[in-house]
Amino acid sequence: AQSVTQLDSHVSVSEGTPVLLRCNYSSSYSPSLFWYVQHPNKGLQLLLKYTSAATLVKGINGFEAEFKKSETSFHLTKPSAHMSDAAEYFCVVTLYNQGGKLIFGQGTELSVKP
Amino acid sequence: EAGVAQSPRYKIIEKRQSVAFWCNPISGHATLYWYQQILGQGPKLLIQFQNNGVVDDSQLPKDRFSAERLKGVDSTLKIQPAKLEDSAVYLCASSLVPIENTEAFFGQGTRLTVV
Repeated sequence: AQSVTQLDSHVSVSEGTPVLLRCNYSSSYSPSLFWYVQHPNKGLQLLLKYTSAATLVKGINGFEAEFKKSETSFHLTKPSAHMSDAAEYFCVVTLYNQGGKLIFGQGTELSVKP
Repeated sequence: EAGVAQSPRYKIIEKRQSVAFWCNPISGHATLYWYQQILGQGPKLLIQFQNNGVVDDSQLPKDRFSAERLKGVDSTLKIQPAKLEDSAVYLCASSLVPIENTEAFFGQGTRLTVV
């Protein structure tokens, strides 16, 4: 069965410092992996996706993620946090051959301190 | 491009009452999903439509939840009767094609409170 585990329920950083949100996945097949962001009272927005092309994926707003098969990880990073990055982040895997069904992690709440 | 539209944004009902949510997907998107997001958890799929047919409803509590997608466009999700544990945000999403590497676009959700 495919699943994702987000290792931190809450991460707090200072503005201008690096961001690291950790995600491990479990999949019997080569997975498609996504990171979505959810700002308060707003819909989920796609940050980036991995679909077996380049292992380093660049997304919007300066975020990127690296797919590491040996570690079954897909961690999200950003070199320098901005106040507007404060939100809930979800690591997501899609099920192989099951019509795009998304399996969400529990979420990581990112706080950014001035 | 217009996004996924959902209404209402908020709803408060008493337990055992019924409630309905409406979703209008992005034009041309054949696949429509309803997700339930309980506070502090990631969204969980309730039902997936491909055009007006059901692809996956394995996680839908069919004794109280129902959903339909008329003419392969708009969709409604109904709960009857509601329970306290149904308090959650109900998210509608749509995608162009139902394959695993396709982006799904989400609406803002309907926040349901059952008292």
